[in-house]
Amino acid sequence: GQQLNQSPQSMFIQEGEDVSMNCTSSSIFNTWLWYKQDPGEGPVLLIALYKAGELTSNGRLTAQFGITRKDSFLNISASIPSDVGIYFCAGFTSGTYKYIFGTGTRLKVLA
Amino acid sequence: DAGVTQSPTHLIKTRGQQVTLRCSPISGHKSVSWYQQVLGQGPQFIFQYYEKEERGRGNFPDRFSARQFPNYSSELNVNALLLGDSALYLCASTGTGLREQYFGPGTRLTVT
Repeated sequence: GQQLNQSPQSMFIQEGEDVSMNCTSSSIFNTWLWYKQDPGEGPVLLIALYKAGELTSNGRLTAQFGITRKDSFLNISASIPSDVGIYFCAGFTSGTYKYIFGTGTRLKVLA
Repeated sequence: DAGVTQSPTHLIKTRGQQVTLRCSPISGHKSVSWYQQVLGQGPQFIFQYYEKEERGRGNFPDRFSARQFPNYSSELNVNALLLGDSALYLCASTGTGLREQYFGPGTRLTVT
């Protein structure tokens, strides 16, 4: 099935470092979403973005809705061991009910 | 308050069989959506139901069907199972807007 491109695919970082990941699409979306999934569990919604250019924070997480509406970025500041997991982006368009997830970024934090 | 619940947790089926998966949303949530997550990939959207009506459908064959009941719980049915249907099936419950979206733990389906 169709998936959005996420990069990097995986990353190892030291505790305390900042992390950046992005998601790109060939299609326009009117909503971008970021999720975190831990092993054996369902995804947890972290941030939802509804307008092009929107910048939204949730604690140490900050996400941006790209102005072209074809991309989005997620930053995690001062990473901690519990940030370990797989981060997924998703694009959503309500009119056509297109709802596409990304390929995921696997984050590992070294204490 | 209970979160999204799904049953069963795991099941094993044989090719050609049929399966029914169940989901109970968070109390007060009227929208339920279903996703298929193959190992190592992101979830794929299958269906979305709101107030017992189908509002969205992903790119899945007609072997996949779903329904939502008056109490807003939902069932996903898959007929004529194929080996490629082996996956984690996730259900999500949504309140007023996507910011109130919560996933259940999933049902792990193995087709042999």
